[in-house]
Amino acid sequence: KAGVTQTPRYLIKTRGQQVTLSCSPISGHRSVSWYQQTPGQGLQFLFEYFSETQRNKGNFPGRFSGRQFSNSRSEMNVSTLELGDSALYLCASSLGGATGEHFGPGTRLTVL
Amino acid sequence: QKEVEQDPGPLSVPEGAIVSLNCTYSNSAFQYFMWYRQYSRKGPELLMYTYSSGNKEDGRFTAQVDKSSKYISLFIRDSQPSDSATYLCAFRLNTGNQFYFGTGTSLTVIP
Repeated sequence: KAGVTQTPRYLIKTRGQQVTLSCSPISGHRSVSWYQQTPGQGLQFLFEYFSETQRNKGNFPGRFSGRQFSNSRSEMNVSTLELGDSALYLCASSLGGATGEHFGPGTRLTVL
Repeated sequence: QKEVEQDPGPLSVPEGAIVSLNCTYSNSAFQYFMWYRQYSRKGPELLMYTYSSGNKEDGRFTAQVDKSSKYISLFIRDSQPSDSATYLCAFRLNTGNQFYFGTGTSLTVIP
């Protein structure tokens, strides 16, 4: 089975712009979670989607949003980018039950 | 108090050593316990997943959960240079909830 894929892998944006990141989960996985990873804060949970519905949400401002499509693919959007948004954004998928998550390689976002 | 505490290291050991990585947690309602390995510039990779207290073994890796002490450990036997990575512990309340991650312990195995 193919693993979790994320596009693009690298992205450079300037402050004030917006960005959309994409994630394709492992086939059959209905849950998709998004995380922000920085050296200082570690892995911080953004949100989780299950069957197109947001099931859990972390403590991030409303500039961070997401959605999930009927084929379980997910997108994450960040509007009005700030310098502090520079991070590795990771997507993870799971069956949604009592299993661990499988991560993609991440999208490295740099905000200038 | 943070929900999950993990010593960031760095930890440096000679090849062949037994490595012990640990996490403590404050939420006694956590039911699922996981360990991930993350190589530089890669996404985390699920190593071990367990539900109950006790030990779970997979090759050179053993995950140990002590719910009474709210403490989990990952032991790596016969450590190899390829084990050099950051190890993250993770927890979950139940199947419908989010995952909570430690900040990771950086491990280097010296040949």
